Amino acid sequence: NAGVTQTPKFQVLKTGQSMTLQCAQDMNHEYMSWYRQDPGMGLRLIHYSVGAGITDQGEVPNGYNVSRSTTEDFPLRLLSAAPSQTSVYFCASSQRQQGARAFFGQGTRLTVV
Amino acid sequence: GENVEQHPSTLSVQEGDSAVIKCTYSDSASNYFPWYKQELGKRPQLIIDIRSNVGEKKDQRIAVTLNKTAKHFSLHITETQPEDSAVYFCAASYMNYGGSQGNLIFGKGTKLSVKP
Repeated sequence: NAGVTQTPKFQVLKTGQSMTLQCAQDMNHEYMSWYRQDPGMGLRLIHYSVGAGITDQGEVPNGYNVSRSTTEDFPLRLLSAAPSQTSVYFCASSQRQQGARAFFGQGTRLTVV
Repeated sequence: GENVEQHPSTLSVQEGDSAVIKCTYSDSASNYFPWYKQELGKRPQLIIDIRSNVGEKKDQRIAVTLNKTAKHFSLHITETQPEDSAVYFCAASYMNYGGSQGNLIFGKGTKLSVKP
């Protein structure tokens, strides 16, 4: 049971490039989300999904797209990377119920130069 | 929307002392309050959580208290050890209208240092 798996672990992009951060979970969790973590800012919600085919915006969605075609996968796309998107990105998943515990992936450290 | 404030941002204690981290939330509909520990370069790990129908919960050296009236909750670590050194995050979640799970909104974190 791998839990929540993110790839890649590290990535350097040039301004304007696009890329997709991958997130997969094998716990059959309906709820998945993406956070970014910046020094002194805690974890801020980018996008989330309550099930396959359903996504919605979080606190800081600008510059990011998501899709949810399967229960297992929830990729995060940066269409045109900017230096302000330099951050550590975490994917999380949980059951879709009141007070469900969330489990995080190992994170992706992204640097945009 | 929900807003979570966390204090202090840094906390330094001597080994064996207790540490207390406090959080306040704004949305009275919030009903689930987890605490996460994040070691340097690692993912956040759930250490304890509490639901709104409970006032206190303990797990060995860790305890969490919740005051729904005042909308604040706290993490208490007793007999601290060097391995407790990490960043701790509180969070709040609520049930959305329609019964789907709410999102976790996090505080900005507390860096705890335990000196031997």
